[in-house]
Amino acid sequence: GAGVSQSPRYKVAKRGQDVALRCDPISGHVSLFWYQQALGQGPEFLTYFQNEAQLDKSGLPSDRFFAERPEGSVSTLKIQRTQQEDSAVYLCASSSEDRIKQFFGPGTRLTVL
Amino acid sequence: DAKTTQPPSMDCAEGRAANLPCNHSTISGNEYVYWYRQIHSQGPQYIIHGLKNNETNEMASLIITEDRKSSTLILPHATLRDTAVYYCIVRVLYNFNKFYFGSGTKLNVKP
Repeated sequence: GAGVSQSPRYKVAKRGQDVALRCDPISGHVSLFWYQQALGQGPEFLTYFQNEAQLDKSGLPSDRFFAERPEGSVSTLKIQRTQQEDSAVYLCASSSEDRIKQFFGPGTRLTVL
Repeated sequence: DAKTTQPPSMDCAEGRAANLPCNHSTISGNEYVYWYRQIHSQGPQYIIHGLKNNETNEMASLIITEDRKSSTLILPHATLRDTAVYYCIVRVLYNFNKFYFGSGTKLNVKP
C-alpha cells in the first residue's frame, strides 16, 4: 500500500525565496506531523494537525514558517524568505486514530544558498 | 516525555546479534519505549514498542528491565542493510504527542 509521500524530494532555494513543501499522508490518517532534521541530528518536531486543525505549532522556529492542511489530508509546509539556517531535511509523518505509531515519508531536503 | 541516553555509535559483525542499549531513568509509569531506525536518506521507520514486558516482532526484540529504567533492542542476525541510526524514544501511548528523537545510535554492520 502507499505510504507517506513528500514532494519535492530535493529543493534548492536562494536566500530570500519562498518555498512550499508538500506531504501526502497515508489515506485515512487523521494525524499529521512535520519535523525538521538538521545534518547529523535527530528529527525535531515542528507542528501537528488533527484532521484540518493545527493543534500544536510550538516547534515552528519563526513566523516565516507556516503549515496548513485545509481539507484534512494533504499538508503544505511553507517557508517564507528562506535563510541558510533553514537548510535541513523536512519530514512528514502521519498516524491513524490510535496514535500508536507514526509513519514517516522520505523527507524533502532543502538547501538554501 | 522522558529523555533517553544512547551511545553515539556501535559496530556489529554481519550475522551476529546487535544489542543496542538505551537509558531512560526518568520514565513515567504510563510511558512506552519505542524504537525507530533511520537508514541513510530515508525517513524514520518504526521497529517496535513496549511498556514493561519484553516484546518481539519480525524485525527485533525489545528487552525492558524490571525497573523500566533501561532497555535493549536486539537485532538477532544483523545484516548490512541494518546499518542505520537507531532512536530510542519514550512517550505516552495515546497522546497525540510528538516523538523526541534525540541523537540516536549509529549502528555499523560490518562484513
